[in-house]
Amino acid sequence: EAQVTQNPRYLITVTGKKLTVTCSQNMNHEYMSWYRQDPGLGLRQIYYSMNVEVTDKGDVPEGYKVSRKEKRNFPLILESPSPNQTSLYFCASSLTGSTDTQYFGPGTRLTVL
Amino acid sequence: AQSVTQLDSHVSVSEGTPVLLRCNYSSSYSPSLFWYVQHPNKGLQLLLKYTSAATLVKGINGFEAEFKKSETSFHLTKPSAHMSDAAEYFCVVSDGTGFQKLVFGTGTRLLVSP
Repeated sequence: EAQVTQNPRYLITVTGKKLTVTCSQNMNHEYMSWYRQDPGLGLRQIYYSMNVEVTDKGDVPEGYKVSRKEKRNFPLILESPSPNQTSLYFCASSLTGSTDTQYFGPGTRLTVL
Repeated sequence: AQSVTQLDSHVSVSEGTPVLLRCNYSSSYSPSLFWYVQHPNKGLQLLLKYTSAATLVKGINGFEAEFKKSETSFHLTKPSAHMSDAAEYFCVVSDGTGFQKLVFGTGTRLLVSP
């Protein structure tokens, strides 16, 4: 089944403890991206990647890192999480770029205490 | 820079009546425009997209949207609401040029009453 998977789905952590949220797609898509969703703000793009080893900042990249070492994986790294990073996070992928249909993962709900 | 404004945070309709969700956009280039739907506790799903072909775009579940360049609008409509349409709807813009960013609106929650 074609899909985007994220792990974990739920995570509660404490300030400053490094964490990684994984994202994987099995559709051989080139474009992958991360978003955070907050009430009243919609989804905001954190980072995106056009292909392996090619990443770029979205609108809210501060406090996040990403890497794209393999085409199928695009992990989101929070080196030192803070409470203002408590949010619902979505990973998405598309065939070639931002003008293609985006396929979204199920979301990761992160709480930073 | 590109941006999207969804003019209503909430829209309430009765089942069987028309739906109108309003979206205005700003883009320096010829934009690609999308509507995505998010049902409660679910991920997002594409409803329809405009990518410089026909200005009237038909999507899934009876939804359609019209691209109006002169009004910089991309409103979403459906002739007759169904209870299952209750969800949050996001208008999205991308200019697809060197910066491959996607910009989402803040969302419109559609409430459908019996």
